[in-house]
Amino acid sequence: QSVLTQPPSASGTPGQRVTISCSGSRSNIGGNTVNWYQQLPGTAPKLLIHSDNERPSGVPDRFSGSKSGTSASLAISGLQSDDEADYYCASWDDSLKGVLFGGGTKLTVL
Amino acid sequence: EVQLLESGGDLVQPGGSLRLSCAASGFTFSASALSWVRQSPGKGLEWVSTISGSGTRTFYADSVKGRLTISRDNSKNTLYLQMNSLRAEDTAVYYCAKGVHSSSWYTYDYWGQGTLVTVSS
Repeated sequence: QSVLTQPPSASGTPGQRVTISCSGSRSNIGGNTVNWYQQLPGTAPKLLIHSDNERPSGVPDRFSGSKSGTSASLAISGLQSDDEADYYCASWDDSLKGVLFGGGTKLTVL
Repeated sequence: EVQLLESGGDLVQPGGSLRLSCAASGFTFSASALSWVRQSPGKGLEWVSTISGSGTRTFYADSVKGRLTISRDNSKNTLYLQMNSLRAEDTAVYYCAKGVHSSSWYTYDYWGQGTLVTVSS
């Protein structure tokens, strides 16, 4: 079981806004930045958000990240069918001295 | 163009050994930390290990500590993962991932395509 907790699934219809949460603790999210990765079916993960809310070049501004205390969220607005993927949060844990990934959230576009 | 090409995945018996390689190109190799991240069939991502750009700092997940060893050869632009005392639960696709800078432990801007390790008798 992951120390970073994500809902296993999320869904929305095209055009809708969906959010995915990632809950941690003071030793990880509470003291370190959060990244989000998108994994499309059958492909390697891709960096979607880094440093809590920064988008790498090429990532649409429909994707945004936020953090408050020991929780982080990924928001996707204007949902598209191409957004169907697994989404993972990640952070450093000061106690474990290692990287933590959330369990992943499978996003379905209805 | 940044490229990360993993190799070395195979079917191995429990207790056996394997060495994975990740050949890199398209960036200043020593300027980036590198990591191994694995994904068991149908499961989520699991961080395995990270090495700094200089190779002087390494980090391991508790689940692999003492059995898996990360290393790099900056003269050959290659990352390695020596895997010993393999267990069934090590079965996974192993991804090589590039950090955005030399001490970037979990911000990976490029990933390889992965190599499959299967541990079974």
